[in-house]
Amino acid sequence: DGGITQSPKYLFRKEGQNVTLSCEQNLNHDAMYWYRQDPGQGLRLIYYSQIVNDFQKGDIAEGYSVSREKKESFPLTVTSAQKNPTAFYLCASSISVLNTEAFFGQGTRLTVV
Amino acid sequence: GQQVMQIPQYQHVQEGEDFTTYCNSSTTLSNIQWYKQRPGGHPVFLIQLVKSGEVKKQKRLTFQFGEAKKNSSLHITATQTTDVGTYFCAGNSGGSNYKLTFGKGTLLTVNP
Repeated sequence: DGGITQSPKYLFRKEGQNVTLSCEQNLNHDAMYWYRQDPGQGLRLIYYSQIVNDFQKGDIAEGYSVSREKKESFPLTVTSAQKNPTAFYLCASSISVLNTEAFFGQGTRLTVV
Repeated sequence: GQQVMQIPQYQHVQEGEDFTTYCNSSTTLSNIQWYKQRPGGHPVFLIQLVKSGEVKKQKRLTFQFGEAKKNSSLHITATQTTDVGTYFCAGNSGGSNYKLTFGKGTLLTVNP
């Protein structure tokens, strides 16, 4: 089945540690995105990538980093510089940034203690 | 930058009542999309509206795009418990750069 997979579903980390969230898609989509969702805040864009080896900052990129070495994969690293990392993180993909019908993964709920 | 406002933030209805959520953009949009997120789930694409004044229907759901392409609405007729969830609009300003901006969503709860 084609789709977008995020792992793990739940993640716990100690404050001060970096953590990497996985996102893989087999939809052959060029564009991939990372969103953060907090209660009452909707979805806020962290980073997006239009194509392999390219990525752009979104509205709340500070404290996060990404890579796009393969078309299928767009991992997100939450660094210790992110002041409020506890959130629900959603990865999405679309055919391109011009065709933005987005397919979302199941999400990763990160809790930093 | 582009802002997308969505109201109301919450709506509780009795099963069988109608429901409407409204979306307003600070800028003219190339298109607008609607997503539904069930509790504990992830957003799922519902529809995209592109043309000025466009109206699309999906069973009990009616989507409208304003004439000025700055506002949109989603109306559900005769709600059912399966309609429960958060409905998001997402405005796309178009162009070569990605500018899909999500509203904060409307959480719909339905009392059976």
